[in-house]
Amino acid sequence: QVQLQQSGAELVRPGTSVKVSCKASGYAFTNYLIEWVKQRPGQGLEWIGVINPGSGGTNYNEKFKGKATLTADKSSSTAYMQLSSLTSDDSAVYFCARYYYGSSYVNYFDYWGQGTTLTVSS
Amino acid sequence: DIQMTQTTSSLSASLGDRVTISCSASQGISNYLNWYQQKPDGTVKLLIYYTSSLHSGVPSRFSGSGSGTDYSLTISNLEPEDIATYYCQQYSKLPWTFGGGTKLEIK
Repeated sequence: QVQLQQSGAELVRPGTSVKVSCKASGYAFTNYLIEWVKQRPGQGLEWIGVINPGSGGTNYNEKFKGKATLTADKSSSTAYMQLSSLTSDDSAVYFCARYYYGSSYVNYFDYWGQGTTLTVSS
Repeated sequence: DIQMTQTTSSLSASLGDRVTISCSASQGISNYLNWYQQKPDGTVKLLIYYTSSLHSGVPSRFSGSGSGTDYSLTISNLEPEDIATYYCQQYSKLPWTFGGGTKLEIK
């Protein structure tokens, strides 16, 4: 079955960087895009960006350009998101999700990781 | 960016009730609207895609409707496992955007 297993919770200092992983299993990793979503405590969901694991191509929400860097390792079927110059505003739960593209009418996030909690604090 | 608004942030209902959750877009999104459920443990699942299509394995008590800028998710015959927060998401135009969520509680 399809699974996206994310790395564990992180407690990091302001000004540093962190790399969150999302290991995919149960499907052909390079056949589906991987999306990343941010959820601040008690808040809604915010789209960060997407990576094509097959080509390495990425597309970012303008808001996260310079903050997030998405990469993927085909050999381990793992997607990564690096967040840099961390501040308290980056404290949130981060989700990866598989993106299903059926047609121009049908596309959605069909499988989600369990989320990785990031706490930025000195 | 297209703004998605769920005006009801929390909703209380009784088991067996019919519940409707609304979502509106800042501009027309041509039915490019999905609904997700987030359980209290954080788990997120797709419920409805393209406004009204039920995702595989989702109970038939869930349904979606709408057009233009206004959309809704209906849960008929509310069950205990439906306690969750529900989010709409548009995929008409990048960046994909989500509503603020509607938290459903049992009365």
